[in-house]
Amino acid sequence: DVKVTQSSRYLVKRTGEKVFLECVQDMDHENMFWYRQDPGLGLRLIYFSYDVKMKEKGDIPEGYSVSREKKERFSLILESASTNQTSMYLCASSKIMNTEAFFGQGTRLTVV
Amino acid sequence: RKEVEQDPGPFNVPEGATVAFNCTYSNSASQSFFWYRQDCRKEPKLLMSVYSSGNEDGRFTAQLNRASQYISLLIRDSKLSDSATYLCVVIAPGTYKYIFGTGTRLKVLA
Repeated sequence: DVKVTQSSRYLVKRTGEKVFLECVQDMDHENMFWYRQDPGLGLRLIYFSYDVKMKEKGDIPEGYSVSREKKERFSLILESASTNQTSMYLCASSKIMNTEAFFGQGTRLTVV
Repeated sequence: RKEVEQDPGPFNVPEGATVAFNCTYSNSASQSFFWYRQDCRKEPKLLMSVYSSGNEDGRFTAQLNRASQYISLLIRDSKLSDSATYLCVVIAPGTYKYIFGTGTRLKVLA
């Protein structure tokens, strides 16, 4: 079974903190993604990566950065957390283009 | 127009009923389509891929209508455990982007 693991289920951070969300997949997938999910807005793509050290902006990259130093790990960084970044963050991976994506369990981040 | 659109529901149906959801997409060049299921406060999980010829998995049937640019999901003999949000997903052609609909909420009532 494909496993995508996110480092935390719940996080509470203060405004202005630098926040790291970690994601690891164990199936040698090339592609990895970070989404945020908000009520009424659905899943929105923040960043994705199709190879080690490669990244592309998604639809809402502002206020975020990412790092992919190893194939299995994709990190999302909130440079200076703000209250409007309170959300559910979902990491996903897929093997190649046009195949299904597998999701981690999600991190519910609250910024106070 | 949104890239992927779904009726948010909720669809409230009795156990044993048949229910169908549609999802429209705007890019006629889209090639890959999926239905995901998401339970409350959980991650989305793949329910089924949608093939051009249509496909069936037990009580679930998915269809693609390219002419009208929509995909559908039919659930027969609904169970209480089918209560969830169903997400339509389209891959933007030539990209790695999975575009999600906002989901259709289904409640199966005893």
